[in-house]
Amino acid sequence: EVQLLESGGGLVQSGGSLRLSCAVSGFTVTSYAISWVRQAPGKGLEWVSSISASGSSTFSADSVKGRFTISRDNPRNTLYLQMNSLRAEDTAVYYCAKDRGALHLGMDVWGQGTTVTVSS
Amino acid sequence: QSVLTQPPSASGTPGQRVTISCSGSSSDIGSNTVNWYQQLPGTAPTFLIYSNNQRPSGVPDRFSGSKSGTSASLAISGLQSEDEADYYCASWHDSLNGWVFGGGTKLTVL
Repeated sequence: EVQLLESGGGLVQSGGSLRLSCAVSGFTVTSYAISWVRQAPGKGLEWVSSISASGSSTFSADSVKGRFTISRDNPRNTLYLQMNSLRAEDTAVYYCAKDRGALHLGMDVWGQGTTVTVSS
Repeated sequence: QSVLTQPPSASGTPGQRVTISCSGSSSDIGSNTVNWYQQLPGTAPTFLIYSNNQRPSGVPDRFSGSKSGTSASLAISGLQSEDEADYYCASWHDSLNGWVFGGGTKLTVL
């Protein structure tokens, strides 16, 4: 069964850092693109960052470019989101989601999310 | 403000057919396929429609999608109380090099 499990969320002060993890099972991270999507309290979905199946391409939203970095550990089958210079507006539930293919075909399986709260 | 435009709310009575629109541009919907997601209250989003009009296995055929030009639609026929949820459209944006979502439509079953 394909599963994604996020962890690493918590409460952090503005300007601080946090690293989120997404452990996957039922598939290998080198076979599919994976994305991070966030949802601020009471708001809609916002794409954050993606990494291609090959790992050679990464993409990030303008709102996090230069502050957030997506990466992965192939042997651990785990994806990461390093978040630096956090702001209050980064407060959200962060989901990792598997793509249907190597890159941007659509996110077909989602994790349950991890909550990040940035206090000002 | 979301790149893709959806109505904030929609409603219908059990058994009715409702449609939710999603409007974009030539850089997203106009040149890429559209996916739809359902988010039940307090849960993570789930995959509802991909490639404009394809249903993943397990999704009832009451749900259907279509696309024309720079717009797309999600139709739900035979509305049921368990369909009460938020619905999001999404497409890849060629210039932004990333996914763009609609703002979401809250569907109420009266």
